[in-house]
Order: sequence, then structure tokens, then C-alpha cells
Amino acid sequence: KQEVTQIPAALSVPEGENLVLNCSFTDSAIYNLQWFRQDPGKGLTSLLLIQSSQREQTSGRLNASLDKSSGRSTLYIAASQPGDSATYLCALKGRGGGADGLTFGKGTHLIIQP
Amino acid sequence: NAGVTQTPKFQVLKTGQSMTLQCAQDMNHEYMSWYRQDPGMGLRLIHYSVGAGITDQGEVPNGYNVSRSTTEDFPLRLLSAAPSQTSVYFCASSYSRGPGANVLTFGAGSRLTVL
Repeated sequence: KQEVTQIPAALSVPEGENLVLNCSFTDSAIYNLQWFRQDPGKGLTSLLLIQSSQREQTSGRLNASLDKSSGRSTLYIAASQPGDSATYLCALKGRGGGADGLTFGKGTHLIIQP
Repeated sequence: NAGVTQTPKFQVLKTGQSMTLQCAQDMNHEYMSWYRQDPGMGLRLIHYSVGAGITDQGEVPNGYNVSRSTTEDFPLRLLSAAPSQTSVYFCASSYSRGPGANVLTFGAGSRLTVL
């Protein structure tokens, strides 16, 4: 069964710093990996989607990488801002059998200090 | 605004009561799904649908029913609520089920408490 781990569970950094959030997974047979943002009391917003054949995706100050061989993905946030404070979730679409849907990590709770 | 709409946002039930969580999307998405989010557990798939008239079970389907009579609506029914069903429920949809660039769009969530 696919397991997704996100480290750290929580992170607090001063505004302006560059930071990296980590996501590891146990089964490399995936179709794609997504990074989501969740604000308190809100739904999830998709930030970046990386197909299994891709190595990275970029959107503005965000860059996500994927290394299937090592079972790792990183989300890089450049020049962090207080508005980046949220919980960040990674989720995989697996190739294996079984139930449909995405397998989610438990998230990294990020606080950017003004 | 286009997107996924969930109602109600908050609900308190007593054990044994039944209720329906509503989900509607106006993006003509084929694929719709329900997840529950619990502290320390991450999101888990309850049921999903790949089109009108087609539904299937996810990872944690017990105690829940779904139907998909139209493309737009995908209600989730709790037949006899239990305290273990206290959770935040999210409806999500995408253009297709396929493994391609099918980004999921999530609703704002419905917080359910069962006493």
C-alpha cells in the first residue's frame, strides 16, 4: 500500500526566506504527484501537478520536483511571504490496483513570520 | 463563481440520525469524489463517480451511500450517523478520471459533528 510522508509536520520561518517542503512515497508506480495548499477552514487549492515523466514544474515563486527512483518530491518556495502561511499537502495518483483516488500525505503546516 | 459548492458548511447530528451532504459543480466535470479529513490521518477517499449513473467505493466507504443522477450533483448520504463519522468532508471534481493532467478542484468542506 502506498504511504506518503511529509516532513517536517510544521515549519516556522521569517519572511523572505527560501524554504523546501519534503514529500516521500513508498511506491514509485505513480501517474502523477500534486501539491496542494489548504488554508484554515477552507478547501484545497492545487498548486502544481507533475506527471510521472516530468522532473519538475514551476509556477511563480513555487517549484516542485519529482524523483521517482528515490520516492521523493520537494516543493521549493522562494522569497516567502506571510500570505504563504498555510498547510501544504502532497498527493499521488497511483498506477497500482485497488481503489481510485489520490493518496495524501498529512501535510506540512507552514507559518511565515512577518 | 464556477467551482464546487458544498452544503451545509457545518452540521451537528445525534448518533443514529441520517443526513445528506450536498455537492454540486458547474464545470461539466465527469469525475466527482468525496474525501474525509481527520486529524493525523490525511484525506481518505470515500466514494467516487466517473459519470452520471456510475459510482464506486473508495478506501473508507462503510456507512456512506452516494448516487449520481446528474453530471452536476453528487450527494453523500449518512444512513445512521456514528461518532466515528465526525470529520471534515470534501467534495472534489475533475474533468476526467484519467491519469493525465486532471487537476482536482475541491469544495470548501463540510464539518460534521456526531454526538
